[in-house]
Amino acid sequence: EIVLTQSPGTLSLSPGETATLSCRASEIVGSNYLAWYQQKPGQAPRLLIYGASSRATGIPDRFSASGSGTDFSLTIGRLEPEDFAVYFCQQYGNSPQTFGQGTRLEIE
Amino acid sequence: QITLRESGPTRVKPTQTLTLTCTFSGFSLTSSGVGVGWIRQTPRQALEYLALIYWDDDKRYSPSLKTRLTITKDTSKNQVVLTMANMDPVDTATYYCAHRVPGTGSWDVGVFDYWGQGSLVTVSS
Repeated sequence: EIVLTQSPGTLSLSPGETATLSCRASEIVGSNYLAWYQQKPGQAPRLLIYGASSRATGIPDRFSASGSGTDFSLTIGRLEPEDFAVYFCQQYGNSPQTFGQGTRLEIE
Repeated sequence: QITLRESGPTRVKPTQTLTLTCTFSGFSLTSSGVGVGWIRQTPRQALEYLALIYWDDDKRYSPSLKTRLTITKDTSKNQVVLTMANMDPVDTATYYCAHRVPGTGSWDVGVFDYWGQGSLVTVSS
């Protein structure tokens, strides 16, 4: 199965800055089927991005993503206080679908 | 408005069978392309896909857990039920059900846009 490795493990930034999160796959992700989720404490994951770069309904354009093959990234521009959370990537191009271990975005 | 809610025991003993129910609203599991999945999250925050069921009763399972899992649906009640046999302390996790975005990948996989609040299950004697 495809192993997704997210980096960094923790990212410390201030509101207003830009965050760049990485997700690297152990094999090529079929059809670039890569999604990103945001999770806040005590809540379920929230879908942000699917198909490597398509924003889900209601997601602000501060969230953007790109990548292909084995290397993907999520960029969050002009960080807002509510953006500080844990972010997971998921590949669904190969069975079984798998998730990364998460990147914690914390306030510096 | 799509909502999902998990229900079931908060604690089970090792070797017992876990039964979780997902009750949903805002969509129909009789509509073509619709699917509901189960995903769990360990105390260390790792997410793991478990199973999917579709409008046509097609069922898909995680290869590593398929011998222990059964997923069923009751469309009259808008419910999806997951059973997991032979529970072990390593199965301690928060179990989520979620609505699969139609058309996201093959039938074995999917992206999930609406999730329940999660059901924490502890396996302990």
